[in-house]
Amino acid sequence: EVLLVESGGGLVQPGGSLRLSCAASGFTFSGYAMTWVRQAPGKGLEWVSAISASGGTTYYADSVRGRFTISRDNSKNTLYLQMNSLRAGDTAVYYCAKALWYPSYHMDVWGKGTTVTVSS
Amino acid sequence: QTVVTQEPSFSVSPGGTVTLTCGLRSGSVSSSNYPSWYQQTPGQAPRTLIYTTNTRSSGVPDRFSGSILGNKAALTITGAQADDESDYYCVLYMGSGIWVFGGGTKLTVL
Repeated sequence: EVLLVESGGGLVQPGGSLRLSCAASGFTFSGYAMTWVRQAPGKGLEWVSAISASGGTTYYADSVRGRFTISRDNSKNTLYLQMNSLRAGDTAVYYCAKALWYPSYHMDVWGKGTTVTVSS
Repeated sequence: QTVVTQEPSFSVSPGGTVTLTCGLRSGSVSSSNYPSWYQQTPGQAPRTLIYTTNTRSSGVPDRFSGSILGNKAALTITGAQADDESDYYCVLYMGSGIWVFGGGTKLTVL
């Protein structure tokens, strides 16, 4: 069974940092791109970041570029999202998702999410 | 800034047919945007329904179908059921590794 389990969420003060993890199992992790998608309370889904299978290429939404860093450790089958300079607007459930690129750009498996709350 | 548009809400009668759309505030959606659709019920993770415009994900009933209608991507539910009541999100691939989600459509079945 393909499984993605996020962890690392919690309460953090504005300006603080947090690192999210996503443990993958049931598929060849090193063979797939991965993404982070978030959902603020009562709001829609927002794509945050993506990383290639090797980890050599990364992509970010404008809203997080320069503050968030996506990375992966293929030896540990784990995806990360380092979040710095956090703002109240970053409060959301953060989902990791397995991504497929060419020729079918989409997210096919989702984790259950981890909650990040930025508040003083 | 790319804005993907969806109807905020829609209602359909049980057994009825509904088409949700996904457009671009500026421009047209094409198959080159690889439109995909996701279903989400409150408190749950998204579920992948449709990808590359019209390919159903594994296990998705064939009452869900995707297409391009005019200048928009579309998700059609034929023979709607009560458990289809959910939020539906489209996402477009904009190139260079960037995806953009629409704001979502809240579908009511009544």
